[in-house]
Amino acid sequence: SAVISQKPSRDICQRGTSLTIQCQVDSQVTMMFWYRQQPGQSLTLIATANQGSEATYESGFVIDKFPISRPNLTFSTLTVSNMSPEDSSIYLCSGGDRGRADTQYFGPGTRLTVL
Amino acid sequence: KQEVTQIPAALSVPEGENLVLNCSFTDSAIYNLQWFRQDPGKGLTSLLLIQSSQREQTSGRLNASLDKSSGRSTLYIAASQPGDSATYLCAVKGNYGQNFVFGPGTRLSVLP
Repeated sequence: SAVISQKPSRDICQRGTSLTIQCQVDSQVTMMFWYRQQPGQSLTLIATANQGSEATYESGFVIDKFPISRPNLTFSTLTVSNMSPEDSSIYLCSGGDRGRADTQYFGPGTRLTVL
Repeated sequence: KQEVTQIPAALSVPEGENLVLNCSFTDSAIYNLQWFRQDPGKGLTSLLLIQSSQREQTSGRLNASLDKSSGRSTLYIAASQPGDSATYLCAVKGNYGQNFVFGPGTRLSVLP
């Protein structure tokens, strides 16, 4: 199994600012994913991040708002840009690798509150 | 487009009861299905992963079944305990996708 950590675990931010969330995996994974979980909702995929290529964004999410980096097979960042109160959510990082029973492991999440 | 639903949305049972959580998906061309547990304000913990070729998986008091043709999976929890209280999420990965599509979850409360 893979252990995924995220930093920060939570933050309170002002409207108009940006926050970068870090995701670290304790082993190499091919695919990393970023999800958003709004209050009382299930998880919605923001984008898929593979090393060496641009992230692939889901409908409704754009790179200018959620830029993603994936410099290597164990690390990724998600930036929430020009934040508004509607961005208040839990942001979860996930990693997976076909060939390891294709399960997907999740980080503990980053709880973001935008004032 | 794959859609995943879960019934019931919430469930409250006394300790010791056996219970069943249901998950339905619209597209049967799935690669696998995974059940997760989420505690309030926390991330997800994987409980059981069922590959498309499998019918069920068991881990301790948990048993998950998969019926691809009918687009259904169930999670059976035996002898429930207060520590089982959490939200249970079902997620489906398609044959042609890399990511999971999540259901809305079932919020379970086991009363002592």
